[in-house]
Amino acid sequence: NAGVTQTPKFRVLKTGQSMTLLCAQDMNHEYMYWYRQDPGMGLRLIHYSVGEGTTAKGEVPDGYNVSRLKKQNFLLGLESAAPSQTSVYFCASSNNQETQYFGPGTRLLVL
Amino acid sequence: DQQVKQNSPSLSVQEGRISILNCDYTNSMFDYFLWYKKYPAEGPTFLISISSIKDKNEDGRFTVFLNKSAKHLSLHIVPSQPGDSAVYFCAASVMDSNYQLIWGAGTKLIIKP
Repeated sequence: NAGVTQTPKFRVLKTGQSMTLLCAQDMNHEYMYWYRQDPGMGLRLIHYSVGEGTTAKGEVPDGYNVSRLKKQNFLLGLESAAPSQTSVYFCASSNNQETQYFGPGTRLLVL
Repeated sequence: DQQVKQNSPSLSVQEGRISILNCDYTNSMFDYFLWYKKYPAEGPTFLISISSIKDKNEDGRFTVFLNKSAKHLSLHIVPSQPGDSAVYFCAASVMDSNYQLIWGAGTKLIIKP
């Protein structure tokens, strides 16, 4: 039981490049989330999903797209990376209001 | 407009003493509050929570207090241990919001030996 895993752990991009971050959970959770964390700030919700095939915008969705083709996977895409997207990205999953289970994070640097 | 505020970026406490971490919120619609703990290079992990119908919840060394009239909650850790050194995040949610959490900026707790 791996919980929530994220791939890759670290990535460097040039401005304008694209990439996809993968999140996988093996707890059969319905809800999945993508957050970004910037220095001195709390986690901010980018997009989330309430079930397979569904996605919704969070607090800071601009510049990102997501897909949830399979229940266990939640993908975060950056079509044209910008330096403002340099951050640590966390994925989480949940089945209730009480607890979200987080992955270890992906550090992204956009030059 | 920060709906959840943790005004102390850091806190240093002697081992064995009580650690008190504070959190203020502005949205009166919040009905569930959570504390998460985060170590470097790891994701946050759930610590303790409280529903708005309660004013106290206890789990071992951790107690969360909620003062709805003041829109304030606090996390008490007694006694503090070296392994408690971490960043603590306060988060809040509104029922029927698909469990979306609004997070504070975090407080770094340092336990001194």
